[in-house]
Amino acid sequence: AQTVTQSQPEMSVQEAETVTLSCTYDTSESDYYLFWYKQPPSRQMILVIRQEAYKQQNATENRFSVNFQKAAKSFSLKISDSQLGDAAMYFCAYGYRSSGDKLTFGTGTRLAVRP
Amino acid sequence: GAVVSQHPSWVICKSGTSVKIECRSLDFQATTMFWYRQFPKQSLMLMATSNEGSKATYEQGVEKDKFLINHASLTLSTLTVTSAHPEDSSFYICSARAWTSGAYEQYFGPGTRLTVT
Repeated sequence: AQTVTQSQPEMSVQEAETVTLSCTYDTSESDYYLFWYKQPPSRQMILVIRQEAYKQQNATENRFSVNFQKAAKSFSLKISDSQLGDAAMYFCAYGYRSSGDKLTFGTGTRLAVRP
Repeated sequence: GAVVSQHPSWVICKSGTSVKIECRSLDFQATTMFWYRQFPKQSLMLMATSNEGSKATYEQGVEKDKFLINHASLTLSTLTVTSAHPEDSSFYICSARAWTSGAYEQYFGPGTRLTVT
């Protein structure tokens, strides 16, 4: 069974600083993809970043970047220049094509941003 | 683009009654939609995959007779919680799958909070 593990239930970062959220996963699939989603207090799930497993280059979206270590099955999210609006729950998720693109979510990391 | 709506956003019902939650893709067609359940301070758990024109596929442990899913059109999937009980109180989130930039992505609705009294 595919599992996604987020070992940090809570993290805190000073505004304008950088923080890294950890995620590891377990899979026997070869064609899969990974996501980071943000869930603010409104509970609307917002896609932060996506990584295809076949791509060696780490995905980047503005202040958000990932460190994808395929052999180690690790997929961490780095948030640079943290802003107050980044405060939210962050979920790491895994999906693969032969499952019909179903997603398995990690347990989440609550990020607090200190002004 | 790729907006998904849910209705209602919040519903309170009495134990034993049924409640229907709608999930609509507003600006795209979705042959596949997903229904998740989220308990307070917990992660999203996939309940079922809804496919347009065919029966839904339920995850292990989800009662298909209790959580009825209908995907009658390419823009609408409904989840009906039948004979609801207090333990069914939860936050229900749907997502719709769309082909975007060379890959499938899921776009999430804003969720529906169900409270069963």
